[in-house]
Amino acid sequence: DVKVTQSSRYLVKRTGEKVFLECVQDMDHENMFWYRQDPGLGLRLIYFSYDVKMKEKGDIPEGYSVSREKKERFSLILESASTNQTSMYLCASSDADRYSYEQYFGPGTRLTVT
Amino acid sequence: DAKTTQPPSMDCAEGRAANLPCNHSTISGNEYVYWYRQIHSQGPQYIIHGLKNNETNEMASLIITEDRKSSTLILPHATLRDTAVYYCISSPHAGKSTFGDGTTLTVKP
Repeated sequence: DVKVTQSSRYLVKRTGEKVFLECVQDMDHENMFWYRQDPGLGLRLIYFSYDVKMKEKGDIPEGYSVSREKKERFSLILESASTNQTSMYLCASSDADRYSYEQYFGPGTRLTVT
Repeated sequence: DAKTTQPPSMDCAEGRAANLPCNHSTISGNEYVYWYRQIHSQGPQYIIHGLKNNETNEMASLIITEDRKSSTLILPHATLRDTAVYYCISSPHAGKSTFGDGTTLTVKP
């Protein structure tokens, strides 16, 4: 079974702190994604990566950055956390094979910024 | 990616078929229709996808209209464990997609 794990299920940080959310997948997938989920807004794509050291902006990249130094790990960074970044953050991975259409999601990290 | 429209909520009796509609009237020729579901406190789970033809797997069936402007996800014998939020997405490939609010399906005993 594909496993996508996220470093924390719940996280509480203060405004202005630098926050790292880590995601690891064990299926050698090329593609990795970060989403945030908010009531009434659904899941929105923040950043994605198709290869090591490669990243592309999604729909809402402002206030976030990412890092992918190794194939299995994709980190989301909040340089200076703000209260409007309180949300559920979901990581996903998928195979680069054009016939692979399935994304595998992690359990999510619920981040609260106070 | 084309925008999709789903009803916010639906109920279904346990053991009956659950038919979840999705409207994707602006879908383009290279965009697939994907369905995922999210059970409370878990990440979304892939169910099925299709382009033009109807598809079936061990979880569900996907019926896509001939003009591809709408589709229906069918859970043939719904169980209480199928209670979840169901998302319909249209995209040229997995990922790079924005999930809407989906349909909250409640299966009742």
